[in-house]
Amino acid sequence: NAGVTQTPKFQVLKTGQSMTLQCAQDMNHNSMYWYRQDPGMGLRLIYYSASEGTTDKGEVPNGYNVSRLNKREFSLRLESAAPSQTSVYFCASSEWGRTPYEQYFGPGTRLTVT
Amino acid sequence: DQQVKQNSPSLSVQEGRISILNCDYTNSMFDYFLWYKKYPAEGPTFLISISSIKDKNEDGRFTVFLNKSAKHLSLHIVPSQPGDSAVYFCAASPTDSWGKFQFGAGTQVVVTP
Repeated sequence: NAGVTQTPKFQVLKTGQSMTLQCAQDMNHNSMYWYRQDPGMGLRLIYYSASEGTTDKGEVPNGYNVSRLNKREFSLRLESAAPSQTSVYFCASSEWGRTPYEQYFGPGTRLTVT
Repeated sequence: DQQVKQNSPSLSVQEGRISILNCDYTNSMFDYFLWYKKYPAEGPTFLISISSIKDKNEDGRFTVFLNKSAKHLSLHIVPSQPGDSAVYFCAASPTDSWGKFQFGAGTQVVVTP
């Protein structure tokens, strides 16, 4: 099992460019998440999808959109990149339920916006 | 507004000794807590969890303690090993949050020989 995979691993964008970060999981998890990690800030939730067909905003959703393509795949889109979106982006997945379950993370995408 | 705080950005400990990592939270609705470990250029990996119905949970060398009245939890690693050198994040969530965790900023642990 590959677990959670993310592509690309690294990306450099110019301000105003768009791109989509891809995430896939093979653990048959219902829930998927996108986080960003900035120095001194820990991980902050951008968007999440509790189950296939649903998406909801997290703590820092502005400037991002998501698509839950199917149960396995959850993509994050930056429509018009800004330098403030320079960060490391992590995708995660988990079981779904009222009691929180531990999340399994991908290796991350390091994004630089110039 | 950071509701989960790890006030020590770094910790250095000798191999074989105990590492104690601390985490404080402000939201009294949090009742489920996790610790993650993260190596450079990798995603965080789950280490250990505790729910508010307990005050201690052990898994091998790792023990998490929860003091609800003080809104404080700690992770003890005994004995510390060089492979424990990593960044450790605590995360907290209310039961009904459906997986929406709040993370602390992390503590960098360095285990020296």
